[in-house]
Amino acid sequence: SQKIEQNSEALNIQEGKTATLTCNYTNYSPAYLQWYRQDPGRGPVFLLLIRENEKEKRKERLKVTFDTTLKQSLFHITASQPADSATYLCALDAGAGGFKTIFGAGTRLFVKA
Amino acid sequence: GAVVSQHPSRVICKSGTSVKIECRSLDFQATTMFWYRQFPKQSLMLMATSNEGSKATYEQGVEKDKFLINHASLTLSTLTVTSAHPEDSSFYICSAEGQSQETQYFGPGTRLLVL
Repeated sequence: SQKIEQNSEALNIQEGKTATLTCNYTNYSPAYLQWYRQDPGRGPVFLLLIRENEKEKRKERLKVTFDTTLKQSLFHITASQPADSATYLCALDAGAGGFKTIFGAGTRLFVKA
Repeated sequence: GAVVSQHPSRVICKSGTSVKIECRSLDFQATTMFWYRQFPKQSLMLMATSNEGSKATYEQGVEKDKFLINHASLTLSTLTVTSAHPEDSSFYICSAEGQSQETQYFGPGTRLLVL
């Protein structure tokens, strides 16, 4: 069956450290993968998109990797700040020529001051 | 740019009534909008894809007669929950497709509570 898996346990880290979140998928062949941030009671906000032919992408303190062999994406926040505390969702296109986006359940990140 | 609004942000209604939720793209035109439902600590579940000027495409298991979608213009899509029941209580989020068709811009969500 098709699955997108993100660690359901919250990630707690100290301010200034690097947070690393994992997204694994099964039985999909996405052309691209995205990461979104969602704050409680709010809609998701787009952060980064990485294509299948890209290994790594960066945007300010964010870095995303995409390993199509492992079927995994890693999302890093360097020099984390308490304001980075949120739920982070990975999403991928369902492929097969369609534009449907499938979302993971998200990982909650807490950054302590 | 790429701002999407939803109205209302919260609504409480009695069982059996209908509730309309509006989704607007404020500074861009969106041919395609999506409606999602999200339960606490769960992923966004796509309910339907709304295309301007045509009928919405519903996901399997979503009752089209219960969740009426209208996309009458390039900046407005509406979701009407008809004859709402307590089990319809959820967080409803819309999104509008960006020009690249790869990225979605989400509204702030509508919290529906059916008593």
